Amino acid sequence: KNQVEQSPQSLIILEGKNCTLQCNYTVSPFSNLRWYKQDTGRGPVSLTIMTFSENTKSNGRYTATLDADTKQSSLHITASQLSDSASYICVVSGHGGGTSYGKLTFGQGTILTVHP
Amino acid sequence: DAGVTQSPTHLIKTRGQHVTLRCSPISGHKSVSWYQQVLGQGPQFIFQYYEKEERGRGNFPDRFSARQFPNYSSELNVNALLLGDSALYLCASTSVSLEVPGLAENTGELFFGEGSRLTVL
Repeated sequence: KNQVEQSPQSLIILEGKNCTLQCNYTVSPFSNLRWYKQDTGRGPVSLTIMTFSENTKSNGRYTATLDADTKQSSLHITASQLSDSASYICVVSGHGGGTSYGKLTFGQGTILTVHP
Repeated sequence: DAGVTQSPTHLIKTRGQHVTLRCSPISGHKSVSWYQQVLGQGPQFIFQYYEKEERGRGNFPDRFSARQFPNYSSELNVNALLLGDSALYLCASTSVSLEVPGLAENTGELFFGEGSRLTVL
């Protein structure tokens, strides 16, 4: 069964500090991995999309890494801000030649809280 | 340009009732997908529609149904509501064609709406 596991479940850090969120997956065959940011009560917003051949991808203060061999990804947030407080969701797409998004497997998310 | 819009934003129903949720995709997007997000969990795929046809269905009972209209907007219907149907229902659209096998999965950017918060009492 395709699964995406995220850790930690929740994290509290002080403003200005860095943090790293983890994502392990068992989706196979693998197509791509996405990180989304979801503010409380809002829809998810895409941060990065990484394909099999990409090891690192940055979007401002967000840097995602991917190790397709170990099936692990991380999202590193640099110099955190209060507005970074949100749930961060890892989403893995399986490659099956299909034409739907039914093959997306979502993690349960990591809730990040940034305190002043 | 307007993003994905959903309505209503919040609603309260009682067990056994029926609910209809609506979604308007970003202009030009022909694909709409629906997700259920229970509090504390990641979204779960319910349906995907492309060019008014169902292209994917998640593991949800027949009480859940959907359709897409000629203007590419979509409705999600849930009959005989249960307490467990309480969730945030998200709609997402994409501009990527679903006619090319694998293209949507490999490259498609999903744009989510703000969701409809359903509470079943």
